[in-house]
Amino acid sequence: GAVVSQHPSWVICKSGTSVKIECRSLDFQATTMFWYRQFPKQSLMLMATSNEGSKATYEQGVEKDKFLINHASLTLSTLTVTSAHPEDSSFYICSARDSYNEQFFGPGTRLTVL
Amino acid sequence: AQSVTQLDSHVSVSEGTPVLLRCNYSSSYSPSLFWYVQHPNKGLQLLLKYTSAATLVKGINGFEAEFKKSETSFHLTKPSAHMSDAAEYFCVVSLGGGYNKLIFGAGTRLAVHP
Repeated sequence: GAVVSQHPSWVICKSGTSVKIECRSLDFQATTMFWYRQFPKQSLMLMATSNEGSKATYEQGVEKDKFLINHASLTLSTLTVTSAHPEDSSFYICSARDSYNEQFFGPGTRLTVL
Repeated sequence: AQSVTQLDSHVSVSEGTPVLLRCNYSSSYSPSLFWYVQHPNKGLQLLLKYTSAATLVKGINGFEAEFKKSETSFHLTKPSAHMSDAAEYFCVVSLGGGYNKLIFGAGTRLAVHP
């Protein structure tokens, strides 16, 4: 089946720094990717929809200047958490949609902000 | 508006006994519904999906779910639990009827005891 990777799988950073998370579709092209956030023992919350070659669409309550999304190619979307703070610590998961409209999820990235 | 409600946050069964994970949905039109499983430190895996074809949907690992429009339910079942089934399960509804935005339920943690 289709594979989606995320890098890094975990990251620890200091408060005030920025962190970039990559989401790649390894064996298919994805014009649309999605970014989710999952707090411990909670469900996934959609943050934004990333469209190749255009601006991302953010869900209500998600700060676009805080969570920068770039989808520069058909196989790569990046999420940058700018000026990270401890409350940004979470599990970030991406998914990629193929030409058959099926979504495949990455393994997630655990971010810890000290 | 579309939403899903997973009626149990935790379910505990003995190995070899049936599994029932309950899910009710709310949708203004015919929905697409999914069940995903999340094992610790692993990505989300699609168990099965309903997209307005047969109401009884068979998935991987012996799981199946039945779409009941009259009850607005999409419960997940398995005749005989295995230790490896212990995980977090999410019932998901799709906006737009296809693989567009996914709305996740709160999740049900399944524990399987020997």
